Amino acid sequence: GAVVSQHPSWVICKSGTSVKIECRSLDFQATTMFWYRQFPKQSLMLMATSNEGSKATYEQGVEKDKFLINHASLTLSTLTVTSAHPEDSSFYICSAKFTGEETQYFGPGTRLLVL
Amino acid sequence: AQSVTQLDSQVPVFEEAPVELRCNYSSSVSVYLFWYVQYPNQGLQLLLKYLSGSTLVKGINGFEAEFNKSQTSFHLRKPSVHISDTAEYFCAVIGVYGYSTLTFGKGTMLLVSP
Repeated sequence: GAVVSQHPSWVICKSGTSVKIECRSLDFQATTMFWYRQFPKQSLMLMATSNEGSKATYEQGVEKDKFLINHASLTLSTLTVTSAHPEDSSFYICSAKFTGEETQYFGPGTRLLVL
Repeated sequence: AQSVTQLDSQVPVFEEAPVELRCNYSSSVSVYLFWYVQYPNQGLQLLLKYLSGSTLVKGINGFEAEFNKSQTSFHLRKPSVHISDTAEYFCAVIGVYGYSTLTFGKGTMLLVSP
């Protein structure tokens, strides 16, 4: 149980285009989902926390207009990187948790390469 | 706020040897503790967690960890490692009652050689 999927697993795009990444909880309802970014050989950096039906809470230094997060249902959150640039290239990982529990279950990650 | 220190960035070990990956934390509130494993180009998989109760926690793949409140540590151990255990291991903490976000250590790369 507690499986989280991400799609796509990798994406290559041209600079200036927008990319959408989906995060789904497959076998549970996730009232809260999280988006992380991971640079090579580094730890995870929390970008934002999203609760179903409400606006995401972004961490300091994360541009909310650049990284659009939508959590429209209890099983789906999306991260859209708008007008992507090479510096946005990274590994993006989502996680989800049950209501009332602090354990986060992570997706397999999405590798974004912006050319 | 919490912080997590993983003292070893890399731990090389031979197959079938025991291993300990160290994790220390600091926090002004009580915490829940987690160990996650990340294989190359993959997401994080939960190894084990401490929420309450017995301070010795057993997880998947033969790993266990012991919560030591006085030393603010949560070291991960395995009595006999396999080649397949080669991966990055992250220790993470979060304040009880959700008063904080999940804070990760910088990770420890476990390198198991034959």
